[in-house]
Amino acid sequence: DAKTTQPPSMDCAEGRAANLPCNHSTISGNEYVYWYRQIHSQGPQYIIHGLKNNETNEMASLIITEDRKSSTLILPHATLRDTAVYYCIVRVVGTGFQKLVFGTGTRLLVSP
Amino acid sequence: DAGITQSPRHKVTETGTPVTLRCHQTENHRYMYWYRQDPGHGLRLIHYSYGVKDTDKGEVSDGYSVSRSKTEDFLLTLESATSSQTSVYFCAISESTGGRTEAFFGQGTRLTVV
Repeated sequence: DAKTTQPPSMDCAEGRAANLPCNHSTISGNEYVYWYRQIHSQGPQYIIHGLKNNETNEMASLIITEDRKSSTLILPHATLRDTAVYYCIVRVVGTGFQKLVFGTGTRLLVSP
Repeated sequence: DAGITQSPRHKVTETGTPVTLRCHQTENHRYMYWYRQDPGHGLRLIHYSYGVKDTDKGEVSDGYSVSRSKTEDFLLTLESATSSQTSVYFCAISESTGGRTEAFFGQGTRLTVV
């Protein structure tokens, strides 16, 4: 699986959009970008994933550059409850086997 | 939330004692995983299972063994606990059907070896 690079920390004001970047310059053509987050000491929670088209769900939007070497997770209206560590993971999607390789992620702090 | 239960949620044990952590799922998912999380290391995969009695090692498997005798249960055993195994342990599950490809995680077990 390709390696990812994320900033160690970011701040965001409550109600504003949080834009979390991820670099994955060695991504292969059949690898997807996944985002998970971990709130405090809870288990990681799946947010979204995509291959090359932009994706949106009820939690977030995922913007992947045309060359697929980087992506941005967007939380459109951040709340205090979005304070968490966000992990960007690149992996091949095949059978549903999800052997995930976690980095240290980005610690997002949402402030009032 | 996916039906994943880890037990115990907290445990303190002495060095050299055996410890077994249990992960129980009600989702009938094929794949199950054990991760550990330590400060500065993120989550690291210990062992995983791709079916009943089918298991394999992850990146930090030394000192750990696993067993899966039923689809719903995945046990992690520390045969002789050491202080370096003090950590938070997470179980996860995933499935290969229905187009779902994400993993679901349990709430974690905090293990302290003294």
